[in-house]
Amino acid sequence: DTAVSQTPKYLVTQMGNDKSIKCEQNLGHDTMYWYKQDSKKFLKIMFSYNNKELIINETVPNRFSPKSPDKAHLNLHINSLELGDSAVYFCASSQVNGAGAFFGQGTRLTVV
Amino acid sequence: SQQGEEDPQALSIQEGENATMNCSYKTSINNLQWYRQNSGRGLVHLILIRSNEREKHSGRLRVTLDTSKKSSSLLITASRAADTASYFCATKANTGNQFYFGTGTSLTVIP
Repeated sequence: DTAVSQTPKYLVTQMGNDKSIKCEQNLGHDTMYWYKQDSKKFLKIMFSYNNKELIINETVPNRFSPKSPDKAHLNLHINSLELGDSAVYFCASSQVNGAGAFFGQGTRLTVV
Repeated sequence: SQQGEEDPQALSIQEGENATMNCSYKTSINNLQWYRQNSGRGLVHLILIRSNEREKHSGRLRVTLDTSKKSSSLLITASRAADTASYFCATKANTGNQFYFGTGTSLTVIP
């Protein structure tokens, strides 16, 4: 049973396209996140949601729009993809009390 | 930026040796956590130390925290080839639930 699952695992697309990455957690956690890991392995938080409500948007371009239909899901939609969006995107979840986060396996996005 | 720094960036040791990684951060924290990332995989939570704790152990892992210096260290004793991975520290502030990650240390354990 995968705790945090995200799909797809790999995504190759052309500049200008719109794509979505889905994330689901079955841990009953209240908080979900999206992180971006670049080619140098820097992990940067993008969004944090608590019970479907946006808590943090860390200066992410508005081409990125998270959507949380319920507290077990946090999807990421990206409009007008650019070359610089190529990275690995990780979904994660944690309890509100800030204990350790559980991460998905990542989605490697390549924009060509 | 709230991103922390880790050193060394890369570390290569022989199996059986101890590995020490350091993390420095910038802001007051509620807790600090260490994660491991195997190549091409997601991050796995290893250990959490709260701001009022100074040392914590879990199996072959030992973590220390010095809030006055805003630094932490992760010691892996009796390393194994399977410990080869990238290790990241992550800090949680007193407000909010988000974690801010350090730059990571790439550890290679040579059999």
